Amino acid sequence: GEDVEQSLFLSVREGDSSVINCTYTDSSSTYLYWYKQEPGAGLQLLTYIFSNMDMKQDQRLTVLLNKKDKHLSLRIADTQTGDSAIYFCAAFSGGYNKLIFGAGTRLAVHP
Amino acid sequence: ETGVTQTPRHLVMGMTNKKSLKCEQHLGHNAMYWYKQSAKKPLELMFVYSLEERVENNSVPSRFSPECPNSSHLFLHLHTLQPEDSALYLCASSRSLAVTELFFGEGSRLTVL
Repeated sequence: GEDVEQSLFLSVREGDSSVINCTYTDSSSTYLYWYKQEPGAGLQLLTYIFSNMDMKQDQRLTVLLNKKDKHLSLRIADTQTGDSAIYFCAAFSGGYNKLIFGAGTRLAVHP
Repeated sequence: ETGVTQTPRHLVMGMTNKKSLKCEQHLGHNAMYWYKQSAKKPLELMFVYSLEERVENNSVPSRFSPECPNSSHLFLHLHTLQPEDSALYLCASSRSLAVTELFFGEGSRLTVL
C-alpha cells in the first residue's frame, strides 16, 4: 500500500535550524502537509504544499519538495522550546483517494 | 481553538461498559473523520462521513459504532472494548472529501481496564 516515512526523533539546540524529512511512495500525491501535535493535544495544520511547487515559505517555516525523489522536508528556523512537539507529514494519495500520515517525528529542543 | 470540539477529553471504562465519544465542529464542514492514535500505529483512519453518510470503514471491529446525525456532529459508540483499544481518539473535519486539509479536535484519551 501507499506509505509515508519519517525519522522518529530529532534533537536540536535552541536557536538552531531544525530539518524534518519525509518520504512518500505515491507519485500521484497532489497535496503534502505538515501537522504539529503538542503534548495532550490534537493535530494542528502547520503548512502544506501543492505538488507543482518546489518550495513554500511561511515565516520561520520552509517546506521543500523534491517530487522526483518523493521527498518532503520542513525547516524550522531559529527553533524555540515551544517548537518541541511531534511533527507529522501527510500525503494525499490520488491513487487511494485518502490522506496517508507518517509515524511522526518527535522534535526535542534543548537549551 | 480549531473549531472541532471533542468530549470527554479523558475516559476510563471497563470492558463491559458502554460509552460514547462526541465530536462537534463549528466550521460548516461537510466531512468528518475518526482517527485512532496509539503507540503501535500512530494514526489510523477508522471512519469517514460525508454529508452524514458513511463513506469509509477501515476494517474497524464492530465494538466501535459510529453515528453522524448531522454534518456538525459525530459520535463513536463504544461497547465491550478490549485493553488494546486504549488510545487517543481524534476527530477531524474538512470542507468536503475533496478537500484534504483536516482540522482536528484535541482528542479523547480512552483507557480500557
